[in-house]
Formats: sequence, structure tokens, C-alpha cells
Amino acid sequence: DIVMTQTPLSSPVTLGQPASISCRSSHSLVQSDGNTYLSWLQQSPGQPPRLLIYKISNRFSGVPDRFSGSGAGTDFTLKISRVEAEDVGVYYCMQATQFPYSFGQGTKLEIK
Amino acid sequence: QVQLVESGGGVVQPGRSLRLSCAASGFTFSTFALHWVRQAPGKGLEWVAFISYDGNDQYYADSVKGRFTISRDNSKNTLFLQMNSLRHDDTAIFYCARDYLGHFDSWGQGTLVTVSS
Repeated sequence: DIVMTQTPLSSPVTLGQPASISCRSSHSLVQSDGNTYLSWLQQSPGQPPRLLIYKISNRFSGVPDRFSGSGAGTDFTLKISRVEAEDVGVYYCMQATQFPYSFGQGTKLEIK
Repeated sequence: QVQLVESGGGVVQPGRSLRLSCAASGFTFSTFALHWVRQAPGKGLEWVAFISYDGNDQYYADSVKGRFTISRDNSKNTLFLQMNSLRHDDTAIFYCARDYLGHFDSWGQGTLVTVSS
């Protein structure tokens, strides 16, 4: 099974400053079709998760361009260029390359 | 717009069964794979089960294999999760999610399952 490990688990950030979350998988997420099924999701307090980024770096519809994803193979990063108050919540990486699918532990983004 | 609405959660005793439903609207249900994902109180997300668009393929997390069954009725645009032999550690919010080319692009609001004696 593929284990997803996120760092840090908590990230206090000043409004307007950048934030970065790392995600490492225990196995390469490159599938036989050549795609890498690594997504990032945001869960605001009391809400269901919301898709932000899919296949490493593709922003989902309606996601602000201050969110970006990068990486390859087993190492991936979510960056927020300038944190806004509405970005508070928990961020998860998720792999859908191989069953059983799996999530990272989550990174709690909070404002300093 | 895409809408997924879960129902069927509640309080159930250990060892008993419960059936969750997820009613879908706003898209062609029969052309999308679907998943169940759960979240224990104060914890992270855990993938639970997958079903293909036609219902022919299913996959499960080891933690629920042999106890939970995912199914769907494409004529009624509804996804199900039959949960048997429930345990205390099954207590969670259960979400259904739509799978679009390998990413979960739509989620329901979730339904809470509490396993308690």
C-alpha cells in the first residue's frame, strides 16, 4: 500500500505571506498510463473536502491562482503565494494511482 | 450543478448493520465512478471504497473489507454503502465523492455514523 506523508502537520502563517506544504509518497505515483494521480484538497472548518489541485499541478475550476502544485515521482508540494484569511483549514494530499487510495495525515494552516 | 446528498447515518450498536445512501443529481450518474471516504471525529480522511461507473468493479480499504459492500443503482442515481459488523472505530462522517479521471471533484456534505452501545 502507498503511504502518504505530509510535512509540516501544522503551519502558522502571517496573512499575505507564502505557505508551502510537502507530501511524500512511499512509492512512485506515476501510473502505467503515464499520469501521476496526486491531488490536493482543502477542508475548511465544518465543511467537506474541496478539490484544489489534480494530477500534481492542475488547478480545479474556481480555485484561485495563488494556489499551485508541483513535484514528480514521490515528492510533491502545494504552495500558496499569499495566504488569505479564507485559506484557513486542513490540507490533504491524496494518491489515486493505486488501490487502496490514500491520503496524507493533513496539514493544518492557521493564521499567526 | 453537481449535487451529492448522503443519508442513512445514525447511532448503532456494535455488531449491528447500517446502510448509507448517496443521492446524486446534476450530472449523468451512470458515467462516473464513485467513492466513499470517511473521517473519524477530529481525524483525517480515510478512503473506504470505490465502485466503477457500471458497478462491475469494487475496491475496499483493508479496514472494511469483508464487512462493507459498495453498490449503486444507476436507474435511481443512488450510491449505497452496506455496513455490517460495525465497530466502535467505524464512528465517522461518511462522504460520497465523484471520481473524475482519478480525482475527487465533487463531495457530499457527509452523514455521521456513531457506533456506540
